[in-house]
Amino acid sequence: AQKITQTQPGMFVQEKEAVTLDCTYDTSDPSYGLFWYKQPSSGEMIFLIYQGSYDQQNATEGRYSLNFQKARKSANLVISASQLGDSAMYFCAMRPMNTGFQKLVFGTGTRLLVSP
Amino acid sequence: SAVISQKPSRDICQRGTSLTIQCQVDSQVTMMFWYRQQPGQSLTLIATANQGSEATYESGFVIDKFPISRPNLTFSTLTVSNMSPEDSSIYLCSAWTGLPDTQYFGPGTRLTVL
Repeated sequence: AQKITQTQPGMFVQEKEAVTLDCTYDTSDPSYGLFWYKQPSSGEMIFLIYQGSYDQQNATEGRYSLNFQKARKSANLVISASQLGDSAMYFCAMRPMNTGFQKLVFGTGTRLLVSP
Repeated sequence: SAVISQKPSRDICQRGTSLTIQCQVDSQVTMMFWYRQQPGQSLTLIATANQGSEATYESGFVIDKFPISRPNLTFSTLTVSNMSPEDSSIYLCSAWTGLPDTQYFGPGTRLTVL
């Protein structure tokens, strides 16, 4: 079975600073994908970034980067130059990819608050 | 990428009634999903909706309570039947695009049952 753990229920950061949101995962599958989503108070789930387990380089998308440490089974999200609009819930998710399509498993989320 | 729309965006319903939520994707997708997010919780998969076949339900969810239709590759509906206050949640539609391996979500339907 797959499991995603986000140990930070809440994080605070000042505007323009960088912040790291932690995510560890547990799986016995050799091939999997890791995802981060942002959920503002409006409720929509916004896809941020994807990392494949065999990708050689850490994924980056604008101000978002994923610090992927396969041996430690961690996939931390780094947000650089935080903005007030980054205040939201952030969910880490994983899907195994070796035997057909399997469902996305989500962590419990981290609430990020960005202060001026 | 895929753009997903949902209707209604929110509703307040009476106990014992049913609500049908519509989900429209701007491109053809093989797999669509319905999730529930109870207040303050993470997302829980209700079912996978495949075109041309019956939906596949996760443990704890049954077709009589959450009937799903998938008439074509861009549209799906979820009905929440015989509602109770415990059904008050955000219901999110999602679609898997395949390549790239990314799953997109609709804006959600915020349901309150009185």
